Amino acid sequence: SAVISQKPSRDICQRGTSLTIQCQVDSQVTMMFWYRQQPGQSLTLIATANQGSEATYESGFVIDKFPISRPNLTFSTLTVSNMSPEDSSIYLCSFGENPNQPQHFGDGTRLSIL
Amino acid sequence: EDKVVQSPLSLVVHEGDTVTLNCSYEVTNFRSLLWYKQEKKAPTFLFMLTSSGIEKKSGRLSSILDKKELFSILNITATQTGDSAIYLCAVYDLIQGAQKLVFGQGTRLTINP
Repeated sequence: SAVISQKPSRDICQRGTSLTIQCQVDSQVTMMFWYRQQPGQSLTLIATANQGSEATYESGFVIDKFPISRPNLTFSTLTVSNMSPEDSSIYLCSFGENPNQPQHFGDGTRLSIL
Repeated sequence: EDKVVQSPLSLVVHEGDTVTLNCSYEVTNFRSLLWYKQEKKAPTFLFMLTSSGIEKKSGRLSSILDKKELFSILNITATQTGDSAIYLCAVYDLIQGAQKLVFGQGTRLTINP
């Protein structure tokens, strides 16, 4: 199956700043997703990144805080804006063509905000 | 509200033991159930189950789904220290045409030598 890579692997940021996480798949995929995993918690879907249109956000997540780009079928970015310590989490991207196939995840970005 | 519940949340066993991890679910429009292993950051795919009663097996790991009782189990036999990880259960739900993967809390498995 396709290989997905994510960067940066980790970062330590100052509060109030923004960080953009990149996710690259080595072949074209229809669906890409962004998740957050807070310390000691499970994965929560932030949004579905749609190619050529605006991302679809889950309840509790807004575009101003987590703007997402999906310029083509192999690449997506997630920006965490105006960061606060509560944003300290692992952020994960994934891809999955449909519910009959598993989602595969990138290596994740461990983000710490001071 | 969609719900995926795993038990136990934490489990510590000795190398060589057999473990059974549980996952129950309540979702609007079930499509499939998946198991993942998370050792550091990235969850790695183990199994995808869509039909009841058909066991999926990979080496010492196996899993089965019961769609009537809405649960799945993941078995690991002859455990090794390398099996130590968080095991995540997730269910594909189809809501208004959009596919969503809903995760359980995970079971943290520790294998002591």
